[in-house]
Amino acid sequence: GAVVSQHPSWVICKSGTSVKIECRSLDFQATTMFWYRQFPKQSLMLMATSNEGSKATYEQGVEKDKFLINHASLTLSTLTVTSAHPEDSSFYICSARLGVAANEKLFFGSGTQLSVL
Amino acid sequence: KQEVTQIPAALSVPEGENLVLNCSFTDSAIYNLQWFRQDPGKGLTSLLLIQSSQREQTSGRLNASLDKSSGRSTLYIAASQPGDSATYLCAATGNQFYFGTGTSLTVIP
Repeated sequence: GAVVSQHPSWVICKSGTSVKIECRSLDFQATTMFWYRQFPKQSLMLMATSNEGSKATYEQGVEKDKFLINHASLTLSTLTVTSAHPEDSSFYICSARLGVAANEKLFFGSGTQLSVL
Repeated sequence: KQEVTQIPAALSVPEGENLVLNCSFTDSAIYNLQWFRQDPGKGLTSLLLIQSSQREQTSGRLNASLDKSSGRSTLYIAASQPGDSATYLCAATGNQFYFGTGTSLTVIP
């Protein structure tokens, strides 16, 4: 089946630094990828929709200047948390849609646990 | 806005029991509904996907049903095993994806 690879699995950084998370579709092309964050014991919350070759669409309340998303190719999307602060500590997960239709299946990366000291 | 609710929030059952997880959604205009499993600190594993035109999907000991008109989906797990312990999430797909709040399942050996 389709595989989505997400790196790193976990990262610890100092407050004020930037962290980049990569999401790759290994055996299929993904024109659309999604980024979520999850706080402990809560469900996933969609942060933004990333479309290859165009600007990401951010959900209400998500700061686009803080969470930079780049989808430069059909197999790679990146999320950069700029000037990270302790409140940005969370579990971040990406997903990719197999195909272009809205009813296509989603495949998820393994997630990135970000801890900001 | 679509709201997806899962009941119960937590469930603990002895090994071997059959169980049902519930998912309800407020907007029936969905393309599909997908069930996922999440292990602690891990990503999501897709279990079953039901297209809006379908009523149910089966995979091994899992069976998921969908009733769009009533805004409900159920995940049935037969003969539960300790390895089934995880959080189960449902997600309704419309113009966006909306996740439920999750059900934390513990299967006691």
